[in-house]
Amino acid sequence: QKEVEQDPGPLSVPEGAIVSLNCTYSNSAFQYFMWYRQYSRKGPELLMYTYSSGNKEDGRFTAQVDKSSKYISLFIRDSQPSDSATYLCAMIVGGYQKVTFGTGTKLQVIP
Amino acid sequence: SAVISQKPSRDICQRGTSLTIQCQVDSQVTMMFWYRQQPGQSLTLIATANQGSEATYESGFVIDKFPISRPNLTFSTLTVSNMSPEDSSIYLCSVRTSANEQFFGPGTRLTVL
Repeated sequence: QKEVEQDPGPLSVPEGAIVSLNCTYSNSAFQYFMWYRQYSRKGPELLMYTYSSGNKEDGRFTAQVDKSSKYISLFIRDSQPSDSATYLCAMIVGGYQKVTFGTGTKLQVIP
Repeated sequence: SAVISQKPSRDICQRGTSLTIQCQVDSQVTMMFWYRQQPGQSLTLIATANQGSEATYESGFVIDKFPISRPNLTFSTLTVSNMSPEDSSIYLCSVRTSANEQFFGPGTRLTVL
């Protein structure tokens, strides 16, 4: 079993839809959680960062962490064609431990 | 946050040659990483390059093939040595801040003929 599981998609939604992207993990020691957006042929861009259970909102993006269920989500409201990208979840135990990434979900928002 | 730049952004190289990729960060960071990403794949960690210590390589990556320098807290280089077509990939520099946020550079797209 992988430490982090993420549905690879692809996920296609119409413009304006609410998108839900999810990751599950098995290591209860993970403390820091991140979501990255990666456009084709570009480096990953840090979208959201959180270290506690609950919700964190930034514009159209909401990151949700449920440590008891070992489950994290990224919600995108009013999705736009410019949101079409691959979304990677990532998590760290902390300190000098390396980041563990999900495999990424490819999202396409259809105009 | 941290802003990272990489040089070159892309290159096409001949088999058997070497390429050095530079990574510059706009702030001082202790932890710096080098990743490789094959098309359509997730990120693979090559090595961790913390300032003041030797680089630590992941399984499958060796110093002779991927020598790394980390002369100060804002700069690092990764060299891809004796290249073969299998080394064609995107190489990414990454840093972790004291708040445990991890940022990536724009990547270097390498094609080996």
